[in-house]
Amino acid sequence: DTGVSQNPRHKITKRGQNVTFRCDPISEHNRLYWYRQTLGQGPEFLTYFQNEAQLEKSRLLSDRFSAERPKGSFSTLEIQRTEQGDSAMYLCASSLHYNEQFFGPGTRLTVL
Amino acid sequence: GIQVEQSPPDLILQEGANSTLRCNFSDSVNNLQWFHQNPWGQLINLFYIPSGTKQNGRLSATTVATERYSLLYISSSQTTDSGVYFCAVEANAGNMLTFGGGTRLMVKP
Repeated sequence: DTGVSQNPRHKITKRGQNVTFRCDPISEHNRLYWYRQTLGQGPEFLTYFQNEAQLEKSRLLSDRFSAERPKGSFSTLEIQRTEQGDSAMYLCASSLHYNEQFFGPGTRLTVL
Repeated sequence: GIQVEQSPPDLILQEGANSTLRCNFSDSVNNLQWFHQNPWGQLINLFYIPSGTKQNGRLSATTVATERYSLLYISSSQTTDSGVYFCAVEANAGNMLTFGGGTRLMVKP
């Protein structure tokens, strides 16, 4: 059984560009979560899906952020018009119902 | 929302020493997990322990849910134990993990 995978692992972009990240959860995990971690801090929750339904979004998720999980399997997180403050590690996790969450390796975003 | 505090924030140990990391939380929880974050940023699951005691090799953890704290014990520390240890909780009314600020551990040879 493979773990959670994320692509790309690193992304460098210029301010104002759009970026998209992908997360593939552990197979048959129905819950998928996105978190963001800035340097020296613990991860912070952004949003989560149960199957294909996006059930909760954090106040951290501004209008420039959008997440989808179209078929209840992989998920994408898009950031439009990136800002330097968006530079962070974006982490994806999955779980089976209300159980233990398992994290992917993360996508490190640098906005120049 | 729920608050999670970890102590100490930083810890330096000599190889072979034992240590205890603490996690306090402000409300009832459904889920509590301990993670080790490696230098590449990967969060490695150590324990899923909403209550009780568990052991895995040199590591063990205890959660006393009624008193709202959890402890992570590391015995006979090794240099490979270095990194950041996070406690994360899922509140009874929540659907996501709330992380503490972490304990940064350095084990010297």
